[in-house]
Parts: sequence; C-alpha cells; structure tokens
Amino acid sequence: DAGVTQSPTHLIKTRGQQVTLRCSPKSGHDTVSWYQQALGQGPQFIFQYYEEEERQRGNFPDRFSGHQFPNYSSELNVNALLLGDSALYLCASSAGLAGVETQYFGPGTRLLVL
Amino acid sequence: DAKTTQPNSMESNEEEPVHLPCNHSTISGTDYIHWYRQLPSQGPEYVIHGLTSNVNNRMASLAIAEDRKSSTLILHRATLRDAAVYYCILRDAPSASGYALNFGKGTSLLVTP
Repeated sequence: DAGVTQSPTHLIKTRGQQVTLRCSPKSGHDTVSWYQQALGQGPQFIFQYYEEEERQRGNFPDRFSGHQFPNYSSELNVNALLLGDSALYLCASSAGLAGVETQYFGPGTRLLVL
Repeated sequence: DAKTTQPNSMESNEEEPVHLPCNHSTISGTDYIHWYRQLPSQGPEYVIHGLTSNVNNRMASLAIAEDRKSSTLILHRATLRDAAVYYCILRDAPSASGYALNFGKGTSLLVTP
C-alpha cells in the first residue's frame, strides 16, 4: 500500500514565477492538508481539502491556492513567488472524524525561490 | 488554541529510556494530546495520542498528568533511529475548532551510541 506521495521532490523557481505542487493521498483517505515548513521551524498549516472543497485555511495569503480532484489527489499552487516562500511543502492525508484522526505525511517538496 | 511548551533539545544514550516532557497548562477538557515526530529529511509521522488515560503502543508510551496540564512521551529504549524532532500537539474534539495540526518547534532528540 503506497503511502502519501508528492511530486516533484525538489524545485527551483525565481521570484514572481508560479509553481504547482502535487499530492496523492494514502489509499482510502479522502482528506488532504498542506503545510509549509521553513528551515528550523515546525510545519505551518496552509489549508485542508475535503470533498473537493477548502474546509479550513491557515494564515496564508491568497497567493496560495489549492484544488482537490475527484480521486482525492490535490494540488497546491503558489503565485507571484517570493524569496520567503522557499520551504519544504508537506502534504498530509487522513480519513475519519476530524480532530482525532491520524494525519499521514508525504516526504515533501523542497522549493527554492531565487 | 491551547499552546504547548517543550524543551528545545534533549540528549539520550542509545538503549536507555527517554522521557520527553510537554506542558499544556491551558488545555481544555476536550483537547486530545497528540505526538508526532519528524526524522531527518522526512515528513512528520504519528507516534501516539491520548485524552486522559496513559496510552501504550508499539512505538512509545504516553503518560498524562492527572490534571492534564502536562504529559510525557516515553521511548522505552532509544535507538539511533529515534533521533528526530518530537512535536506535542493539542487537538480539540471533532469539528470543534478546525482540522489543522498546530506544530510548535518541538524537541530535537539526539541519541548517542
């Protein structure tokens, strides 16, 4: 059983560009969450998708947007990239009652903005 | 959201028990205590969670204070593979306050041979 997969593993962009990151959830999971982890910090919640809708959003600007597809996979889009967007982007999937269920994380996509 | 306080770092010898503390003095009655850990160059992984009673699983034990204002993650026999950042996270009851995991900075555990 494949766990959470993310692509690409690494990415280099320049300021002002746009980027799309992809995530496939663990089999049987219907909920996808995205987190940003800056170097030396804990992951910060960006948003969560359930039933193709954004269910909750963290304190991130509108440049960060997402999508969930009918097969539960998800994309994270970041527009007008800033140097400060350089980070590890983590996707987590889950199923079941919110608040108690375990979130399973992928290995992340490391984004470098030059 | 109720906050947690953890030491920045701890060190342990291999094959010895490790007690990782977490303070959460403002915990509410419906907050679950979750622990995740993040090994180097990997995403976080679930370790254990509990509400009021102590919990055991194959990875660790969770000891919860009677007043629930603190908890301790116990690794019974640390191995080099247990070197990671350990995060203590409070999560409210389903749908009560959202679905995010609110990570702090965690405790960086160093295990030496």
